[in-house]
Amino acid sequence: GAVVSQHPSWVICKSGTSVKIECRSLDFQATTMFWYRQFPKQSLMLMATSNEGSKATYEQGVEKDKFLINHASLTLSTLTVTSAHPEDSSFYICSARDLSGGAGDTQYFGPGTRLTVL
Amino acid sequence: AQTVTQSQPEMSVQEAETVTLSCTYDTSENNYYLFWYKQPPSRQMILVIRQEAYKQQNATENRFSVNFQKAAKSFSLKISDSQLGDTAMYFCAFLPNFGNEKLTFGTGTRLTIIP
Repeated sequence: GAVVSQHPSWVICKSGTSVKIECRSLDFQATTMFWYRQFPKQSLMLMATSNEGSKATYEQGVEKDKFLINHASLTLSTLTVTSAHPEDSSFYICSARDLSGGAGDTQYFGPGTRLTVL
Repeated sequence: AQTVTQSQPEMSVQEAETVTLSCTYDTSENNYYLFWYKQPPSRQMILVIRQEAYKQQNATENRFSVNFQKAAKSFSLKISDSQLGDTAMYFCAFLPNFGNEKLTFGTGTRLTIIP
C-alpha cells in the first residue's frame, strides 16, 4: 500500500512557541491530505482537510489561526501549531488519499506525531 | 450526517481462536465505502480491509473477512486464527462515495489476544 511519513515522531516544546509537523506521501501524489488529532484511548478527530494549492478546510471548532496548514506540493502538507499551550498536547496524525490506484477512496495514515507542550 | 457505532469497547480472545467485531452505521447514502483500520500500540493506523457498498460480495484479506449487511447497515469484522500481533484498537470507518471526502470513525474496539 501507499506510504505516508510524518516528521517529527515526537516533539517537546515550551508554552508559547510554535511547532511544525510535516506529512509526506512517499510514493504517490496527494492532492488532498487530512489532519487528525487523537486523545488517549479515543478515536480520531478530524481537524482539517488540506488541499494542494488552496486553503485548508477546517472542521467546526478548530481554530485556523492556531493550527496553520500549508499544502505546498503534491507530496507535502505541514501543520503548524502556533503559540502552543499545554492543552495542545496530543497525538497528531495525517493521512493522504492515493488516487493513482483503483482504490482512490482509501486513506493511508502517517505514523503520527506526539506533541508535548510544557 | 453519518454515524458509526462500535458497541464493544473491549474484547479479548485466546490465540488461534476466531473473533468478530461489530460495527453499525447510519446513512441515507446508497453509495459509500466502509473500512476497518487497526491501530496497534505503535499507534500507526493500518488499513485492514475495505468494502464497496455496491458490491454484495464480502471482502476478505487473508485471515480477515467482513460480514456486510447493507439493509441492516452492519459491517462486522471477523478475524480467524487470531495471532498475538492482532492485539490493537480496531476502528470501523465510513466514507460517502461523493462530495464529502471525510472519513467518519467509530469509537473503536480494543482487542487483546491472549497467549
